[in-house]
Amino acid sequence: GAGVSQTPSNKVTEKGKYVELRCDPISGHTALYWYRQSLGQGPEFLIYFQGTGAADDSGLPNDRFFAVRPEGSVSTLKIQRTERGDSAVYLCASSLAGLGSPLHFGNGTRLTVT
Amino acid sequence: QKEVEQDPGPLSVPEGAIVSLNCTYSNSAFQYFMWYRQYSRKGPELLMYTYSSGNKEDGRFTAQVDKSSKYISLFIRDSQPSDSATYLCAMKKGNQGGKLIFGQGTELSVKP
Repeated sequence: GAGVSQTPSNKVTEKGKYVELRCDPISGHTALYWYRQSLGQGPEFLIYFQGTGAADDSGLPNDRFFAVRPEGSVSTLKIQRTERGDSAVYLCASSLAGLGSPLHFGNGTRLTVT
Repeated sequence: QKEVEQDPGPLSVPEGAIVSLNCTYSNSAFQYFMWYRQYSRKGPELLMYTYSSGNKEDGRFTAQVDKSSKYISLFIRDSQPSDSATYLCAMKKGNQGGKLIFGQGTELSVKP
């Protein structure tokens, strides 16, 4: 089937605005992850869902960042009061349950805060 | 010091060359080791996935893990221009779900 889908692919917003980034995981994948990738760097972990609950949110940088997955499928990453330093590519990944299951990534949302 | 160190390159090789990409790490708790390939403006694509130490081969790609030295490698044989991309190593502990720790990525260019 289809891979991980992320929308929008690009988002430009003004400093101080609120943004929502959406992720549709691979069908049947119960685990979902958000990562952030800055230019020239590897992805950095933000949060991991197993089903509807956040199993590990230790990577969220501060309380402006929040993510939900209300029905255990689609997830939304929400950023309040955006700052220029939030500019990055936000990657979503999904996997089957189980510690050894590999992650499959989407193409990301490129967020630019002006 | 970062948990995972990877030389960012760039690395430029002629078509047909053998490419060696490497990462070192500091945390002995890492048990799962991965290599991802990332083309420009695309998401990372899983290439190789290894549990614990040893070698794994898949076509032109060979992954090696040496836990005693905390060192992992990816070899690409008969490199092609289509292999030009950024290669990311990633690893995780056995009890941390999907929390992968990535290296910085090595930019590879294969010249025809």
